[in-house]
Amino acid sequence: GDSVTQMEGPVTLSEEAFLTINCTYTATGYPSLFWYVQYPGEGLQLLLKATKADDKGSNKGFEATYRKETTSFHLEKGSVQVSDSAVYFCALKGGGNTPLVFGKGTRLSVIA
Amino acid sequence: EAQVTQNPRYLITVTGKKLTVTCSQNMNHEYMSWYRQDPGLGLRQIYYSMNVEVTDKGDVPEGYKVSRKEKRNFPLILESPSPNQTSLYFCASRLSGGNTEAFFGQGTRLTVV
Repeated sequence: GDSVTQMEGPVTLSEEAFLTINCTYTATGYPSLFWYVQYPGEGLQLLLKATKADDKGSNKGFEATYRKETTSFHLEKGSVQVSDSAVYFCALKGGGNTPLVFGKGTRLSVIA
Repeated sequence: EAQVTQNPRYLITVTGKKLTVTCSQNMNHEYMSWYRQDPGLGLRQIYYSMNVEVTDKGDVPEGYKVSRKEKRNFPLILESPSPNQTSLYFCASRLSGGNTEAFFGQGTRLTVV
């Protein structure tokens, strides 16, 4: 079945450092890909998405590009802030009413 | 404001005492689902519903029940909770279809002692 693998955390960075969180997937067909973020004490919220190969999703300075050839959707940000501290989940969704499939999450801590 | 509302946010209960976690959405979404989040395991789907009176099992349905009598509500029922159901639970809703965004409630932290 479909699956998502993302890098293990936790990841600790200093403010203004460059962030990469790796995400690779296994799926039949052409899934849509998502990054969700979970801030402390809150539910998940959509950060960005891409629906086809070579699409780039972006939001709040974060970017991810749908790479079909490497089945990847790595999350990047050029300069992280303390307020970016959260758990980040990579997810995919196939066609129709197939469920969202999540990776295990990566906890990011940014220190001043 | 578009939202998914879960209640309660926190619950401590004893083994075997039936409980219900409520979930309500105001976006007229067809699709609703329940997840549990556990350390090192990420989010796993418990049950989902594609519309009123249509429910199906997710990846970890054992020990849970759901119902979908109205479009906006999707309660999660634990008939006889056990300590291995101690977890953080999330309800989510979205429109049906391929790449629509899922909206999540704020979570219910359940402890079964």
